[in-house]
Amino acid sequence: AQSVTQLGSHVSVSEGALVLLRCNYSSSVPPYLFWYVQYPNQGLQLLLKYTTGATLVKGINGFEAEFKKSETSFHLTKPSAHMSDAAEYFCAVSDPGNQFYFGTGTSLTVIP
Amino acid sequence: DVKVTQSSRYLVKRTGEKVFLECVQDMDHENMFWYRQDPGLGLRLIYFSYDVKMKEKGDIPEGYSVSREKKERFSLILESASTNQTSMYLCASKTTSASQNGEQFFGPGTRLTVL
Repeated sequence: AQSVTQLGSHVSVSEGALVLLRCNYSSSVPPYLFWYVQYPNQGLQLLLKYTTGATLVKGINGFEAEFKKSETSFHLTKPSAHMSDAAEYFCAVSDPGNQFYFGTGTSLTVIP
Repeated sequence: DVKVTQSSRYLVKRTGEKVFLECVQDMDHENMFWYRQDPGLGLRLIYFSYDVKMKEKGDIPEGYSVSREKKERFSLILESASTNQTSMYLCASKTTSASQNGEQFFGPGTRLTVL
């Protein structure tokens, strides 16, 4: 089974600062990689995904993530945090067997 | 747009009650999933189904059962609710087709409290 590690269960940034949420996975086979966002009392919404091709993936709301195979990482970034970015973020991996594996989530706080 | 709906956003039940959580998707997806979400534990898979009348146990199936009589509907059943089943329950669906590259689509969640 795969594992997904999100470093930092809570991250705080100032409004306008860089957002960096870390995700590492264990896989010997190139997987599909996802970032989901969850706003309070809502379901999960897809931010972006990597399947094949370009390793820098752009998503909604100005977020992007880079797949680094050598580091087995898929970190999520946004150049300038906005108050509306405050939410829970989940990294997920899908293996060729279509099983999904989620990280434990990172709660992002944006400080005015 | 894919839409996944769940029958209740909030539910309060008593210990020992039988609880039904319903999930419906409108995109003809073959695969459907039930997760529970708890602080610090992320999403944990309870059961999934890859076809009508088919079901597979996930990581934490104990105390739960499921039913998939129609392709669009996947029900989660708590036979005898207990306080440790108080949680947020999330339903998701996914197509087998490669066109969506494995993406799961989620419902809004049901926050269940068992007293």
